[in-house]
Amino acid sequence: GESVGLHLPTLSVQEGDNSIINCAYSNSASDYFIWYKQESGKGPQFIIDIRSNMDKRQGQRVTVLLNKTVKHLSLQIAATQPGDSAVYFCAETIPGTNAGKSTFGDGTTLTVKP
Amino acid sequence: GAGVSQSPSNKVTEKGKDVELRCDPISGHTALYWYRQSLGQGLEFLIYFQGNSAPDKSGLPSDRFSAERTGGSVSTLTIQRTQQEDSAVYLCASSSNNQPQHFGDGTRLSIL
Repeated sequence: GESVGLHLPTLSVQEGDNSIINCAYSNSASDYFIWYKQESGKGPQFIIDIRSNMDKRQGQRVTVLLNKTVKHLSLQIAATQPGDSAVYFCAETIPGTNAGKSTFGDGTTLTVKP
Repeated sequence: GAGVSQSPSNKVTEKGKDVELRCDPISGHTALYWYRQSLGQGLEFLIYFQGNSAPDKSGLPSDRFSAERTGGSVSTLTIQRTQQEDSAVYLCASSSNNQPQHFGDGTRLSIL
């Protein structure tokens, strides 16, 4: 079956630096992608999403980039703060299904050093 | 406003017992999902409810797992004859059509 993988299981950055979290997806038919943030003991929290007709979308301090040619998704966090420390998951959805059947990767643990 | 609420937050039970996990979705959300998350892992899809349609049960790992959604609102996930490998965090999420999911904080299930 399809899988979503993350290049690195952990990422450590200095407070104030920019963070980039990567995600590789395997199904070229996927058309909807979501990034979630999960803090310890909490459920995942929606950060930002992007559809396949876009290659970039910006939110508050976060930007998602989609490269369909190489099936790569990234989450950029500007001026990373200690509160950004969490596990970040990407998820993909194939047309005809719904966001509920998104395939999730194993996550990247982001640690922000003061 | 109120988010997705799950209960209990923690459940410890003996192997072989049945357990029921409850999810109260966000009011008005037509879609409800259950996931299982093992330690340090991603989210494993279990089951999906959408309105009055038949639920998508394709992710349930065995016939010991079942779920109901009454009145299009509250959902209960039941695990019968629990096994140690059922130990995990069980997450519930709800959404409106074509919108991202909102997750509860999960039920941490431990099977002794």
